[in-house]
Amino acid sequence: GENVEQHPSTLSVQEGDSAVIKCTYSDSASNYFPWYKQELGKRPQLIIDIRSNVGEKKDQRIAVTLNKTAKHFSLHITETQPEDSAVYFCASIQGAQKLVFGQGTRLTINP
Amino acid sequence: DVKVTQSSRYLVKRTGEKVFLECVQDMDHENMFWYRQDPGLGLRLIYFSYDVKMKEKGDIPEGYSVSREKKERFSLILESASTNQTSMYLCASSLGGVRGDEQYFGPGTRLTVT
Repeated sequence: GENVEQHPSTLSVQEGDSAVIKCTYSDSASNYFPWYKQELGKRPQLIIDIRSNVGEKKDQRIAVTLNKTAKHFSLHITETQPEDSAVYFCASIQGAQKLVFGQGTRLTINP
Repeated sequence: DVKVTQSSRYLVKRTGEKVFLECVQDMDHENMFWYRQDPGLGLRLIYFSYDVKMKEKGDIPEGYSVSREKKERFSLILESASTNQTSMYLCASSLGGVRGDEQYFGPGTRLTVT
C-alpha cells in the first residue's frame, strides 16, 4: 500500500523567514496531495492541496510543489508569522478517497 | 459550513470495558473515517465507510469495529478496551465523488484506558 514519509519532524524558524516541509510517497498512481494544519488542541484543517496534473499551487503565503517523477511534494510558507506555529501533515490519496498521512512536522515560529 | 461532531472530548474507561465513540456529520457526506492520532505516528486510519452499512478496514483495525446505520453517523467500537488503545481518536468525513476528497475532521476524543 501507499507509504508517506514526512521530514523534518520538528522545524524552528525565525519570524519572517521561510519554512519548507517535504514529503515523499510510494504509489505512482496517487493523484491528490493535501496539507493539513493542526493548531494546539484543535482539529486538523486543510490549508492547501494539489492534484497530479499541476506542478505548483499558491495561496497567499503558502505554496505546494509536486514532482511526480521523483514522487515528492513540499509545503512552502513564506514570511512566517507566530500564528503559523502548528503541526503540519501531508497526505496522499490511496484508492478511492482514502488518505495516507505523513508523520507530521511541528513548526515553531520564534519571535 | 461542514460540521463534524464527536460525542465526547474526553473519556476515561477501564481495561476490558466496551467503548462507543460516536461521530455525526451534517453535510450529507458519503464517506466517513476513523483515525487515531499518536505523537510521532501521524494519523492512522482504523476503519472507513463509503456508504450506509458499508465498512472497510484501514491500516490498524485490530481491536476495533464500526457501525454505520445512518448516513450521518459513524460509530467506533472498542470491544474490550486495552491500555494500548489510549489515544486521541479523530473522525472525519468527505463528500466523495469526483474532487470530493477534502476531509473534514471532528474535534477529537481523547480516550484514556486505565
